Amino acid sequence: DQQVKQNSPSLSVQEGRISILNCDYTNSMFDYFLWYKKYPAEGPTFLISISSIKDKNEDGRFTVFLNKSAKHLSLHIVPSQPGDSAVYFCAASGDTDKLIFGTGTRLQVFP
Amino acid sequence: DTGVSQDPRHKITKRGQNVTFRCDPISEHNRLYWYRQTLGQGPEFLTYFQNEAQLEKSRLLSDRFSAERPKGSFSTLEIQRTEQGDSAMYLCASKLSGNYNEQFFGPGTRLTVL
Repeated sequence: DQQVKQNSPSLSVQEGRISILNCDYTNSMFDYFLWYKKYPAEGPTFLISISSIKDKNEDGRFTVFLNKSAKHLSLHIVPSQPGDSAVYFCAASGDTDKLIFGTGTRLQVFP
Repeated sequence: DTGVSQDPRHKITKRGQNVTFRCDPISEHNRLYWYRQTLGQGPEFLTYFQNEAQLEKSRLLSDRFSAERPKGSFSTLEIQRTEQGDSAMYLCASKLSGNYNEQFFGPGTRLTVL
């Protein structure tokens, strides 16, 4: 069963606009959520995280929102830049510390 | 560079051969993780260590797979009698133990089994 889901395989956004990437999870025991960015032939790079005691965390152009009642989180990138084009993975962990990843969303930012 | 390193970056082998991958974590990180990623999927957890102790193994880790972290620093992942289904990117990550610490990933080892 897929405990972390990213239902949009791809997203295309114009440079300067907002990119919104979504993630849903099913396991209510998850208490820490992370977003990673991945370029081809490289390992995932950590972007931003949020613990379950918060509903928002911001770092520069990146903001993550957590809605625990809906078991939903989202990553907002404002303004989007061409260098943001990559695959974005949502991940979650609970008491066992291992990360459970979604299947990823490919973001393309065009001029 | 003090990030996570993995060696080799690419490995091509014939079915039935054994392969071994190495991971060097960030030096002060006491937890080390192995994941596997196939095309179109996110990374899937295989196993993790705290210092030299292997604390958890996934059901994905069949008897042909073994991982070690003998001195609590670098780790090796060995696959015996490789199968074509083992072709994937093998990722290593490390972190400091404790809540809400992110895992840092290495560049991965891409395995192709012919």
